[in-house]
Amino acid sequence: DAGITQSPRYKITETGRQVTLMCHQTWSHSYMFWYRQDLGHGLRLIYYSAAADITDKGEVPDGYVVSRSKTENFPLTLESATRSQTSVYFCASTRSGGPNEQFFGPGTRLTVL
Amino acid sequence: AQSVAQPEDQVNVAEGNPLTVKCTYSVSGNPYLFWYVQYPNRGLQFLLKYITGDNLVKGSYGFEAEFNKSQTSFHLKKPSALVSDSALYFCAVRDIGDSSYKLIFGSGTRLLVRP
Repeated sequence: DAGITQSPRYKITETGRQVTLMCHQTWSHSYMFWYRQDLGHGLRLIYYSAAADITDKGEVPDGYVVSRSKTENFPLTLESATRSQTSVYFCASTRSGGPNEQFFGPGTRLTVL
Repeated sequence: AQSVAQPEDQVNVAEGNPLTVKCTYSVSGNPYLFWYVQYPNRGLQFLLKYITGDNLVKGSYGFEAEFNKSQTSFHLKKPSALVSDSALYFCAVRDIGDSSYKLIFGSGTRLLVRP
């Protein structure tokens, strides 16, 4: 039971390049989330999805794009990376229907040069 | 708007002593409250949650948390700290009426347990 996985775990890219971070969960959870973690800010929600083909913006969506064609996958794309997007990115998922906790992936550390 | 405050960036405690990590929250309705722990280079791990009922919630690794509605607080506690408890702790809230299942996180508190 792999749970929730993210790839790559580490990524270095240059300003202006497109980068896609992958997230895959094996539980068939309805809800999936993308957060970024920055010192002093805790975790901030970028985008979330309630089901396949249903996505919505979170607190800090600018510069990011998401898609969800399959329940188990929720990729996050930085269309034109900027230095301010250097961060650690976490994917999470939860099942619907109650006060369920979110389960987190191991994170992707992204550095934009 | 929902918000979570963790007023201490760092908490230092000696091994064997009790520990408290503070959290206060603000929601328009009633809250679901969560504590997570993060070890270096790892994702967040769920510790415990408050749903309703008993104000003292017990969770993993001997941690517990006390919900106080009048003070809008949900402090994390442990009777006897271990060096291995040293980590980053996050409090999070979700409004019961929010159907998006979004969590709002505090900025985190680093717990350092010295031998």
